[in-house]
Amino acid sequence: EDQVTQSPEALRLQEGESSSLNCSYTVSGLRGLFWYRQDPGKGPEFLFTLYSAGEEKEKERLKATLTKKESFLHITAPKPEDSATYLCAGHSSYKLIFGSGTRLLVRP
Amino acid sequence: DAMVIQNPRYQVTQFGKPVTLSCSQTLNHNVMYWYQQKSSQAPKLLFHYYDKDFNNEADTPDNFQSRRPNTSFCFLDIRSPGLGDAAMYLCATSRDKTVQETQYFGPGTRLLVL
Repeated sequence: EDQVTQSPEALRLQEGESSSLNCSYTVSGLRGLFWYRQDPGKGPEFLFTLYSAGEEKEKERLKATLTKKESFLHITAPKPEDSATYLCAGHSSYKLIFGSGTRLLVRP
Repeated sequence: DAMVIQNPRYQVTQFGKPVTLSCSQTLNHNVMYWYQQKSSQAPKLLFHYYDKDFNNEADTPDNFQSRRPNTSFCFLDIRSPGLGDAAMYLCATSRDKTVQETQYFGPGTRLLVL
């Protein structure tokens, strides 16, 4: 069965304290790995797509990496406005299979 | 700005009373999706339309149906809502179903069943 697992479920950081979020996947025929940001009460906002192992993408304080079994979202020197739930999803055939997300809280 | 719009943002219904949620898009995308997201859980695909072609996920309850009268609009109908159907319902669109085409989400409709 296709599955995407994210860890930790919740993460509290001080402003400026860098860390990484993990997304492990077992998705048959994986075509790509997506990262989304979701603020409370809102829809997911697209961040990155990674297509092959070894690929990396960056956006401001965020960097996403991909291996054959997992993906990491590295957050460098986070700010309070980075607080959100970060979702990863594997693309198989036609659909996205989401993990349940990591709730990130960055305190000033 | 081109976007995915969902109405209403909040919907309260009674147990067993039919309810319809609406999604519209100005992106002119071919594919429209409906996801269900319960509190602190992963969004789960219910069904999608590729143009007028409807595709139901195998585990989507029969209680859930969808209509797409034209390219811009898609509706989610819940025939007899139960307490377990309380959730955020997310509409998403993409130009195509290939991995290269990003799915863009609307703000969601939060459904409360009393």
